[in-house]
Amino acid sequence: QKEVEQDPGPLSVPEGAIVSLNCTYSNSAFQYFMWYRQYSRKGPELLMYTYSSGNKEDGRFTAQVDKSSKYISLFIRDSQPSDSATYLCAMQVSGNTGKLIFGQGTTLQVKP
Amino acid sequence: NAGVTQTPKFRVLKTGQSMTLLCAQDMNHEYMYWYRQDPGMGLRLIHYSVGEGTTAKGEVPDGYNVSRLKKQNFLLGLESAAPSQTSVYFCASRPQQGELAKNIQYFGAGTRLSVL
Repeated sequence: QKEVEQDPGPLSVPEGAIVSLNCTYSNSAFQYFMWYRQYSRKGPELLMYTYSSGNKEDGRFTAQVDKSSKYISLFIRDSQPSDSATYLCAMQVSGNTGKLIFGQGTTLQVKP
Repeated sequence: NAGVTQTPKFRVLKTGQSMTLLCAQDMNHEYMYWYRQDPGMGLRLIHYSVGEGTTAKGEVPDGYNVSRLKKQNFLLGLESAAPSQTSVYFCASRPQQGELAKNIQYFGAGTRLSVL
């Protein structure tokens, strides 16, 4: 069993839809939770960052962490064609090595 | 403002050939990482470095070597390439200072490698 599981999709939605992306994990030591966005043939870039449990909102994006269920989510409101990308969840235990464990990535297409 | 630069962008190798991938960052970051990305597998850590002159193994280190002779550069070597090493390789760097800053890795654009 992988430490981090993410449904690879692909996920196709119409413009304006609400998108829900999810990851589950098995390591209870994870403290830092991130979502990276990766456009085709580009490197990943950080989209959202959350420490421990709770919600974080940034414009149309909301990240949620439920440590009791070992489950994290990314919600995209009013999705746009420019949101079409692969979304990778990533997690890290506390400490200085900074090693991230990534999910498999979910490919999202938002159709105009 | 270059950030993290990877060279080359594309490469085709024959089985058994060797090559070196170069990663350069201009952000004065202490930590650097090499990942490979394969379909359905996400990003997997190959090797990493927590400072100049240091290296450590990640999740999938076999068949690769690395060196960090200068703080700004992190080299990934394939001594004898195999078809299983066909992948997209990403380099990332991260600062050491600051609680939030410590956890943000900045990625290069990737190197697409095919081994025939």
